[in-house]
Amino acid sequence: KAGVTQTPRYLIKTRGQQVTLSCSPISGHRSVSWYQQTPGQGLQFLFEYFSETQRNKGNFPGRFSGRQFSNSRSEMNVSTLELGDSALYLCASSFSISSTDTQYFGPGTRLTVL
Amino acid sequence: AQSVSQHNHHVILSEAASLELGCNYSYGGTVNLFWYVQYPGQHLQLLLKYFSGDPLVKGIKGFEAEFIKSKFSFNLRKPSVQWSDTAEYFCALDDSGGYNKLIFGAGTRLAVHP
Repeated sequence: KAGVTQTPRYLIKTRGQQVTLSCSPISGHRSVSWYQQTPGQGLQFLFEYFSETQRNKGNFPGRFSGRQFSNSRSEMNVSTLELGDSALYLCASSFSISSTDTQYFGPGTRLTVL
Repeated sequence: AQSVSQHNHHVILSEAASLELGCNYSYGGTVNLFWYVQYPGQHLQLLLKYFSGDPLVKGIKGFEAEFIKSKFSFNLRKPSVQWSDTAEYFCALDDSGGYNKLIFGAGTRLAVHP
């Protein structure tokens, strides 16, 4: 079974630009969560989607947004990029919204903002 | 608010040494607890998880963890480490609110020398 895939794997942008990252969950998984990983702040929850609905959002500014499609694939968008947005963005999928389901992580997209 | 503390940021061991990584959490309600590992260049993988029942949980690759509710702790142990255990280890909690939102600790970098 294929794992969680994320595209692109690496991205370089400049301040003020916007970026869209994509996540394809494991086949059959309907919940997708996004996390930001930085050396200073560690792993922080961004948001979670289930059945095309955002059910929870972390403490990030409105520049961070996302969506989920009917096939469970998810995208996240960051507008007006800042230097501090440089990070590894991780996507995780799970079968359902049950907290007993394991979240499986993708390899991440490394975003560098210049 | 929920939080997770990992007090050991860097640990260096020789092969065959025993390992114990500390994890304490702050949350008064029911929690689900996890240990994830990130090997160099690889994505986050689940080592083990605790939801309920036996507080001693066994995971993959010989790892185990003990949930001690009175101490709000979930320490990770391995009786004899190998060079291949060199990785970063993350403790995480889910408040079982059904939102697939993991709160991560800062991580512990483990280096095992042959």
